[in-house]
Amino acid sequence: DGGITQSPKYLFRKEGQNVTLSCEQNLNHDAMYWYRQDPGQGLRLIYYSQIVNDFQKGDIAEGYSVSREKKESFPLTVTSAQKNPTAFYLCASSRRDRGRYEQYFGPGTRLTVT
Amino acid sequence: RKEVEQDPGPFNVPEGATVAFNCTYSNSASQSFFWYRQDCRKEPKLLMSVYSSGNEDGRFTAQLNRASQYISLLIRDSKLSDSATYLCVVGPTREGRRALTFGSGTRLQVQP
Repeated sequence: DGGITQSPKYLFRKEGQNVTLSCEQNLNHDAMYWYRQDPGQGLRLIYYSQIVNDFQKGDIAEGYSVSREKKESFPLTVTSAQKNPTAFYLCASSRRDRGRYEQYFGPGTRLTVT
Repeated sequence: RKEVEQDPGPFNVPEGATVAFNCTYSNSASQSFFWYRQDCRKEPKLLMSVYSSGNEDGRFTAQLNRASQYISLLIRDSKLSDSATYLCVVGPTREGRRALTFGSGTRLQVQP
């Protein structure tokens, strides 16, 4: 089955620790995205990548870092510099050809930092 | 002004009712439009794309008014399973950032 996987589903960390969230897709999509969602709020774009070895900051990139070494993978690191890291993190991917931009999401990772 | 604005609701409707959600967007150069559905504590899922001529998918009808920068979603014969948050989503301009912009969502609760 084609799709997007994120692991783990739930993650708990102590304040001051960096943590890396995994996102893998086998849809052969060029573009990948990371969003953050807080309770009762909309999705906010953290980082996105249109092609391997290239990525751009979204609206709330501070305290986060990404890499895109393979087409299938777009891991997100939440660093200790992120002031309020507890949130629901969603990864998505999309095609880029023919102006098709609809995104497909993974199941998300709920991160709790105490 | 937010790039994509939606009434947060909740809209509480009885089963079988018809309900409509509206959304406005600020960038007139936006190229693509979508409605997503998000169930509680789950990921958003694509419900339907929105085309200039309007489009229908079963009980769901989407309309786009580019002049007024307004998108709508109509749900007929509501089912209990339609209860969810509906996200209005606007796509990139030709010159701008190649990413979608999500509204905060409108919550629908269908009651028996």
